[in-house]
Amino acid sequence: QQQVKQSPQSLIVQKGGISIINCAYENTAFDYFPWYQQFPGKGPALLIAIRPDVSEKKEGRFTISFNKSAKQFSLHIMDSQPGDSATYFCAASKGNRDDKIIFGKGTRLHILP
Amino acid sequence: KAGVTQTPRYLIKTRGQQVTLSCSPISGHRSVSWYQQTPGQGLQFLFEYFSETQRNKGNFPGRFSGRQFSNSRSEMNVSTLELGDSALYLCASSKQGIQETQYFGPGTRLLVL
Repeated sequence: QQQVKQSPQSLIVQKGGISIINCAYENTAFDYFPWYQQFPGKGPALLIAIRPDVSEKKEGRFTISFNKSAKQFSLHIMDSQPGDSATYFCAASKGNRDDKIIFGKGTRLHILP
Repeated sequence: KAGVTQTPRYLIKTRGQQVTLSCSPISGHRSVSWYQQTPGQGLQFLFEYFSETQRNKGNFPGRFSGRQFSNSRSEMNVSTLELGDSALYLCASSKQGIQETQYFGPGTRLLVL
């Protein structure tokens, strides 16, 4: 019940294309869903996060789509650029006193120039 | 504003030894979380400290412990090291907790021989 399943494991997209990474969770108590970007040799950095009261959140070229009934959320990267090549992690956490965070296994994204 | 710093950056230990890792959060941040990152298990939450108190804990054995000082700096200790403890250990800081922007440090890479 605590798992977050992320797919695909790796993704290759042409420059200018749309990169889509999907995550699914089981625990309906999760109420915070962030996406992190990690470059080699660096720690992860928060890209964008969403809460279940909205179905979509957009920040620049990055959009999270959230489907509460299906318990799924996805990251869309529009107009993908070579500089977006990195590993992306989705995560889920539940708040209040049980504020743990569970990460997906990650997606290695490569944007072809 | 200086980012999250972790020391040391690299460490080699042998089985059975213990190790202490240090994390200095961003100034003004009171929450410090620790994570283990391995190729097989991905990013896993170890524990979170807030105002010198452990607030949340992941599913790791008692060999993994931590503490936080009054200046919010945090240390993580692993006793009786096992080969499987080889990993990148990341800390992250935020103002109030996990459900807001966490800023990650570059990590400490631990190799257990």
